[in-house]
Amino acid sequence: GQNIDQPTEMTATEGAIVQINCTYQTSGFNGLFWYQQHAGEAPTFLSYNVLDGLEEKGRFSSFLSRSKGYSYLLLKELQMKDSASYLCAFLDSNYQLIWGAGTKLIIKP
Amino acid sequence: SQTIHQWPATLVQPVGSPLSLECTVEGTSNPNLYWYRQAAGRGLQLLFYSVGIGQISSEVPQNLSASRPQDRQFILSSKKLLLSDSGFYLCAWALLGRDTGELFFGEGSRLTVL
Repeated sequence: GQNIDQPTEMTATEGAIVQINCTYQTSGFNGLFWYQQHAGEAPTFLSYNVLDGLEEKGRFSSFLSRSKGYSYLLLKELQMKDSASYLCAFLDSNYQLIWGAGTKLIIKP
Repeated sequence: SQTIHQWPATLVQPVGSPLSLECTVEGTSNPNLYWYRQAAGRGLQLLFYSVGIGQISSEVPQNLSASRPQDRQFILSSKKLLLSDSGFYLCAWALLGRDTGELFFGEGSRLTVL
């Protein structure tokens, strides 16, 4: 079967670093994605990993280990505007996205 | 550049009433189109997807239906809404042949069924 799991909620301090983990199980895998979703808004694309390793994009980085079925999103120099839900999703063998329930990130001053 | 719009943004409907949500894409041809629903505190649930005009695949059996009368138009409908239909509905598109996870979402439609 397929499943994907991420923490429901995390809290961090402005200016700090936070890592949001995502684990998945699937027989067919074509990449893992991270999206950011502010309350009441549509998700926006953050990153895509198809090979193992770290992809860095400004303050955000995403890591993938296919053998472990594991990914994380790393956010540095946290800002209040980073308060949002972060969704991970993998692309299965039919090229359909399987979504996690999202991690609500709360940033405190 | 490509754009996607959906409407209405917010609606409150009584149980048993009909529903019609519309979505249009501009700046691209023959996109894959999707309807998702997001219940409060839950992940995105794929409802329908379409790879072309008149081609609709349903992921979840329910009282909702979808139609694609034109290449860049995708409509979500219901004849009689249920309380459980409340949620945040998102239309999205991806290019055919490059069906990656970089879906582009519309603004969303928040439906409350009373």
